[in-house]
Amino acid sequence: GAVVSQHPSWVICKSGTSVKIECRSLDFQATTMFWYRQFPKQSLMLMATSNEGSKATYEQGVEKDKFLINHASLTLSTLTVTSAHPEDSSFYICSAILAGGPASTDTQYFGPGTRLTVL
Amino acid sequence: GENVEQHPSTLSVQEGDSAVIKCTYSDSASNYFPWYKQELGKRPQLIIDIRSNVGEKKDQRIAVTLNKTAKHFSLHITETQPEDSAVYFCAAGLSGSARQLTFGSGTQLTVLP
Repeated sequence: GAVVSQHPSWVICKSGTSVKIECRSLDFQATTMFWYRQFPKQSLMLMATSNEGSKATYEQGVEKDKFLINHASLTLSTLTVTSAHPEDSSFYICSAILAGGPASTDTQYFGPGTRLTVL
Repeated sequence: GENVEQHPSTLSVQEGDSAVIKCTYSDSASNYFPWYKQELGKRPQLIIDIRSNVGEKKDQRIAVTLNKTAKHFSLHITETQPEDSAVYFCAAGLSGSARQLTFGSGTQLTVLP
């Protein structure tokens, strides 16, 4: 149980185009999903917290107009990288927390990540 | 905000030896401390976690200890095996409130056969 998928697993796009990444909780409902960015051999940097039915909360330094997040349902959050540039190339990973439940549902379940390369 | 420091950044051990990774955190309000294992090109997987109401937790060859006073926690892996080779991340956050975790910088563990 508690499987999170991401689509696509990798994408190559031209500079100036937009790319949408989907994060789905397959067998559970998630009121909260998180989006991270990970550079090679580095840690997970939180970009934003996505709550179902409300606006995402962005971390300091993350441009909300560039990284659009939509959490329209309890099983789907999307990250759209708008007007992508080579410096946006990175590994993007989402995670989800089980909706409701006891403290044991603190666990963040991670998706497999999406490798974005902007040419 | 929370700040988590992790050491060492790389660790090599002989198969069968023990490995210890240490983390410190800054926010005394943090009460949830998970450890994740990330193999190359794969997603982070939770391997063990501890909450501040306990000082130690074990799961087979893996154990985590927490010192709330000193604000540090450690991961202990005994009888290491080559398949333990991966990057390990510690994190700190608040239990039960669905708030975000702050991750450490990661430790690349290599178990030499």
